Amino acid sequence: EPEVTQTPSHQVTQMGQEVILRCVPISNHLYFYWYRQILGQKVEFLVSFYNNEISEKSEIFDDQFSVERPDGSNFTLKIRSTKLEDSAMYFCASRAGQGNEQYFGPGTRLTVT
Amino acid sequence: AQSVTQPDIHITVSEGASLELRCNYSYGATSYLFWYVQSPGQGLQLLLKYFSGDTLVQGIKGFEAEFKRSQSSFNLRKPSVHWSDAAEYFCAVGAWGAQKLVFGQGTRLTINP
Repeated sequence: EPEVTQTPSHQVTQMGQEVILRCVPISNHLYFYWYRQILGQKVEFLVSFYNNEISEKSEIFDDQFSVERPDGSNFTLKIRSTKLEDSAMYFCASRAGQGNEQYFGPGTRLTVT
Repeated sequence: AQSVTQPDIHITVSEGASLELRCNYSYGATSYLFWYVQSPGQGLQLLLKYFSGDTLVQGIKGFEAEFKRSQSSFNLRKPSVHWSDAAEYFCAVGAWGAQKLVFGQGTRLTINP
């Protein structure tokens, strides 16, 4: 069964460093998402991406964040200068089309020290 | 504003007992409702979804949920839980045309042997 994959599973970085989280969505899906879950809190929407552009973003998704689909298979989330409060589990998700459910990857745990 | 409330943070049931996890939502547009499960260290797995039609929906692993528009609820049920059902359960709501899912804070399910 097709699935969303994410790498790395765990990343440790120092405050102020740039990180790139990588995702491979399900191949025929058109909509791509990033969510995050701070430990013990709810899953929060960050950004959605469709047709090679951001379609919606939350207030969390400020200028420090960016997304890219550099080729036909990968979808990345970049944090330019990480803060301690960026420590969280980051989930990538994809969806085939309008009205379809989102499928989530296993997540990348980001630890900022 | 869209919101999802899961009133129970933590529920403990005995193996073989029945289960009901509560979810209430507030959403202006036509809503689509989902239950996801997150096992420790894992990503979010879709249990079931409601888009329209029959208000009682069946999902994987023997779970079902009932949509009650008058109560703005979408409670998850299982007639007999298994030890492997121990996990965190998230209710989520989305809307046609809107990109994001809004999640509840989750209910952690513990199973007593």
